[in-house]
Amino acid sequence: AQSVTQLGSHVSVSEGALVLLRCNYSSSVPPYLFWYVQYPNQGLQLLLKYTSAATLVKGINGFEAEFKKSETSFHLTKPSAHMSDAAEYFCAVTETGGFKTIFGAGTRLFVKA
Amino acid sequence: DVKVTQSSRYLVKRTGEKVFLECVQDMDHENMFWYRQDPGLGLRLIYFSYDVKMKEKGDIPEGYSVSREKKERFSLILESASTNQTSMYLCASRVAGTGGNQPQHFGDGTRLSIL
Repeated sequence: AQSVTQLGSHVSVSEGALVLLRCNYSSSVPPYLFWYVQYPNQGLQLLLKYTSAATLVKGINGFEAEFKKSETSFHLTKPSAHMSDAAEYFCAVTETGGFKTIFGAGTRLFVKA
Repeated sequence: DVKVTQSSRYLVKRTGEKVFLECVQDMDHENMFWYRQDPGLGLRLIYFSYDVKMKEKGDIPEGYSVSREKKERFSLILESASTNQTSMYLCASRVAGTGGNQPQHFGDGTRLSIL
């Protein structure tokens, strides 16, 4: 069965520092991959998605993610953290031609002033 | 923009009550989903619906049922609420027919407490 692993339930960075949130999936066939963000007391919002076009995907708010098939990874990065980036981030996977989406457990990002 | 509206942000009910959570989307999406979100567990799929009057069990359907009589509305029902159903419930919708490559659009969630 498809699974998604997010390394680190909590990540803390200083304002202006690089943000790196890790996501690995288990699939022999490249799936569709998504990153969502959840701000306090809100639902999830789409940050970006990979659907087999370019391997480097740019999203909203300066975030990007790189699909690496050999590593079955889809890590999320942002060059310079802002206080407003503090939120919980979810990696999600849908198998190609599939219906259900599997979500990772989430990583909460803290940004220190 | 897609709007997914959940009828209540916070809800407190008692053990044994029948509880209804309502979700409405305004973008004519065929697919709709109910998840529960618990700390450290991410989102777990309770039920989903391909289209009107169609429903399928997700990964944790026990103790829940759903209703989809109209395309825009997807209701989650707790038949007899129990304390272990205290959680955040998220509704989502998605356009159909794209092989899974479209994102889901989420409501703001209902935080349900069962006392």
